[in-house]
Amino acid sequence: GENVEQHPSTLSVQEGDSAVIKCTYSDSASNYFPWYKQELGKGPQLIIDIRSNVGEKKDQRIAVTLNKTAKHFSLHITETQPEDSAVYFCAASTSGTYKYIFGTGTRLKVLA
Amino acid sequence: DTGVSQNPRHKITKRGQNVTFRCDPISEHNRLYWYRQTLGQGPEFLTYFQNEAQLEKSRLLSDRFSAERPKGSFSTLEIQRTEQGDSAMYLCASSLHGEKLFFGSGTQLSVL
Repeated sequence: GENVEQHPSTLSVQEGDSAVIKCTYSDSASNYFPWYKQELGKGPQLIIDIRSNVGEKKDQRIAVTLNKTAKHFSLHITETQPEDSAVYFCAASTSGTYKYIFGTGTRLKVLA
Repeated sequence: DTGVSQNPRHKITKRGQNVTFRCDPISEHNRLYWYRQTLGQGPEFLTYFQNEAQLEKSRLLSDRFSAERPKGSFSTLEIQRTEQGDSAMYLCASSLHGEKLFFGSGTQLSVL
C-alpha cells in the first residue's frame, strides 16, 4: 500500500546550524508534498509544500527539494533557531484522492 | 480568519461510553477532513467531506465511528461504545481547493 518513510526520527542541532529531514514515498502517482510543523498540544501547521512539476522551492530559511525519479523529498532548515524545535511531518498525496499519507515525524531539537 | 476550531480540547471517558467531537472549519473552505494521531505517529486519514457529502472513508473507520457535516459547515465525529484503542488525538482539517490542509488543535481522547 501507500507508504511514506521519514528519517531521522530525532535530530539535534546547534543553533545556527542546518537541519535536513528526508522522506521517501512509494506511490509514483503522488504529486503533492507538504511539510508540517507540530508543536506540543497543537495541530500540524503547514510550513512549505511542493508539487511534482517543481524540483525545489524556498521560503526564507526553509527549502524543500524533490527527486521524482528516486521518490525522495527533503526539508532543509538553515540558520536554525530554538523556536524551530518541534516535530516535523512530511506527507504525500495524489490529486483527486483527498487523502494525505504522513510520515512518522522527526523531532527536531535546536540547542541554544 | 479564525482558523479551524475543535471542541472539546480534551475528553476523558469510560470504556463503552459514546463521545462526540465538533469541528468548525475555516468559513470559506468547502472540504473537511478528519484524521487520527497516536503518540509518536503521523496523522492517519479517517474521512473526507466535500460540502455536506462524505466522499471517502478509511478502513480505519469502523462502524462504531460516524461523521456528519450537515449543511456543509461544521462537522461532528461520533464514536460509539468507545474502546481503549480509540484513545488518540482526533484532528480536523479544512481546505479550499484540496491542497494546503489547515488543521485544528485537535481533541485528545482518553478512554479509561
